[in-house]
Amino acid sequence: QSALTQPPSASGSPGQSVTISCTGSSSDVGGYNYVSWYQKHPGKAPKLMIFEVNKRPSGVPDRFSGSKSGNTASLTVSGLQAEDEADYYCSSCVRNNNVVFGGGTKLTVL
Amino acid sequence: QVQLVESGGGVVQPGRSLRLSCAASGFTFSSYGMHWVRQAPGKGLEWVAVIFYDGSSKYYADSVEGRFTISRDNSKNTLYLQMNSLRPEDTAVYYCAKDIYGTSSGIHYWGQGTLVTVSS
Repeated sequence: QSALTQPPSASGSPGQSVTISCTGSSSDVGGYNYVSWYQKHPGKAPKLMIFEVNKRPSGVPDRFSGSKSGNTASLTVSGLQAEDEADYYCSSCVRNNNVVFGGGTKLTVL
Repeated sequence: QVQLVESGGGVVQPGRSLRLSCAASGFTFSSYGMHWVRQAPGKGLEWVAVIFYDGSSKYYADSVEGRFTISRDNSKNTLYLQMNSLRPEDTAVYYCAKDIYGTSSGIHYWGQGTLVTVSS
């Protein structure tokens, strides 16, 4: 199972919106609604930000939203804040209950 | 609150074995699927394995199939990863993680990780 494709980097100024894409295939992103997004700061454990394409866990600001179209999922961060600077990973459940991650996107708040 | 505490990491020679443990608390352990995920130095996240809530099903990444074994003891609220025939490319921080549901639907909570270094 190949990793999902994410852009290596993304950036935006405080208050702006940025969207990170996650491209797979009909065998993963396009075939399942179990797409999740994680935020990871250096040296810290990842944090779930979005699950099942567009659901937010309790405590995650509504500035974070998820969507999917075909084989591509997207994470949008609105009203960028300095603390949003981190690495972001997407994941999808695939056949045989396996999980595949994207390569990660480093989000820089300018 | 959910707590996942990994232990058992360290330095090991290629070809040797190591067993990781993960002590879980703050939730009903026996109701949730559990995963191991790793991150090699300077690399992204890589899923390793999952075990269903009751231990009835286990699934592995191709890179560890046949070498690693995931297991759980619901009476002790503990998850394990037995790693055999270790290779230098297995060097990584290993995270224990709780699924959103009982099987394999996505990862909700993560531990802080334990470092495994495979080197001669």
